[in-house]
Amino acid sequence: EPEVTQTPSHQVTQMGQEVILRCVPISNHLYFYWYRQILGQKVEFLVSFYNNEISEKSEIFDDQFSVERPDGSNFTLKIRSTKLEDSAMYFCAMKGQTYVYEQYFGPGTRLTVT
Amino acid sequence: DAKTTQPNSMESNEEEPVHLPCNHSTISGTDYIHWYRQLPSQGPEYVIHGLTSNVNNRMASLAIAEDRKSSTLILHRATLRDAAVYYCILIFQGAQKLVFGQGTRLTINP
Repeated sequence: EPEVTQTPSHQVTQMGQEVILRCVPISNHLYFYWYRQILGQKVEFLVSFYNNEISEKSEIFDDQFSVERPDGSNFTLKIRSTKLEDSAMYFCAMKGQTYVYEQYFGPGTRLTVT
Repeated sequence: DAKTTQPNSMESNEEEPVHLPCNHSTISGTDYIHWYRQLPSQGPEYVIHGLTSNVNNRMASLAIAEDRKSSTLILHRATLRDAAVYYCILIFQGAQKLVFGQGTRLTINP
């Protein structure tokens, strides 16, 4: 089974600071996603990304969030000015093709905003 | 997104079969039934999916009712490692995102 890696595993930041979470892509996987899970709550979809564009985003994914995959390298999630309520586990996921349904998730980055 | 209903929790014993139910009475003809699980402190993990026919893979079996309004994930011989939250998710053809509910928390007793 393909393995998705994420860095860092844990990030502590102060409110108002910018953070960048990284995900190492699996070769030949074209569709990328970010999800988050606040402690004790459901896994929530944030954004999907295909062909260097956002294909869908949720209401959570406001102007403070951005994603990119510069030069076909790591897939990143940036939070411009973190808030306390951004504290959560952030999971990167990816899949290979349009009609392949399995998404492969990384182990997550635990973001703690103080 | 079509809604699924799962029990909050279930308990079983090691080396016994486990049947995890999911109701999806509003399923449409193009909705695929997916199961994911989330082991403690890990990201979700794909388990199995199907459309109309029962499906088997190395992890589990998926039994789909004839009217497709319910399905059952079957773990044939549970191990302690199968203790996780199991999510039943409907995805219409071509959709990208996964919409997670609360899932079923499965406890396996040694």
